[in-house]
Amino acid sequence: AQSVTQLGSHVSVSEGALVLLRCNYSSSVPPYLFWYVQYPNQGLQLLLKYTTGATLVKGINGFEAEFKKSETSFHLTKPSAHMSDAAEYFCAVSGGIQGAQKLVFGQGTRLTINP
Amino acid sequence: NAGVTQTPKFQVLKTGQSMTLQCAQDMNHEYMSWYRQDPGMGLRLIHYSVGAGITDQGEVPNGYNVSRSTTEDFPLRLLSAAPSQTSVYFCASRREGGYSPLHFGNGTRLTVT
Repeated sequence: AQSVTQLGSHVSVSEGALVLLRCNYSSSVPPYLFWYVQYPNQGLQLLLKYTTGATLVKGINGFEAEFKKSETSFHLTKPSAHMSDAAEYFCAVSGGIQGAQKLVFGQGTRLTINP
Repeated sequence: NAGVTQTPKFQVLKTGQSMTLQCAQDMNHEYMSWYRQDPGMGLRLIHYSVGAGITDQGEVPNGYNVSRSTTEDFPLRLLSAAPSQTSVYFCASRREGGYSPLHFGNGTRLTVT
């Protein structure tokens, strides 16, 4: 079975500062990993994904994440925060192609950007 | 393309009432799913379908029924609503293949009193 833990339900940073949202996963098979973003009163949108290959993954809006198998982590970063980045972010894992039918989400991290 | 369309956007039910949450997608996606979102718990999978006529349970299926008679539609039925089912419900679809991203609807906010 797969599980996801997002460290910190709320993260607050200043505009222009580094954004770091933490995600650790558990999976008995090679995982597929995703980050989604949710803006108020909307559904979730894909930011980026890792399946196989390069461990540093670049997504939309300047976000990137690095898959670290030894640390079972998939942390999301952005070098310089923008006010429009304020949203809730979800890390998700599926058990590779075998467990692809059941995507498991973390609890979410609400990102606030201070002017 | 409209993407994934959910109706209604808001609904208030009394305990014991039944209702159906509608979900339709126009992207010809084989896979469709229902999640519920509760504060501090992220999204939890209720039911999913990998094609017309094929459905299976997710993490929290109790109290919910689904069917999939067409590729486009995947309704979620609450047979006897309970206050514990107060939540925001999201329908999502994707192409077959586990690395394909989910496309989400805008959600249905359900309150059971």
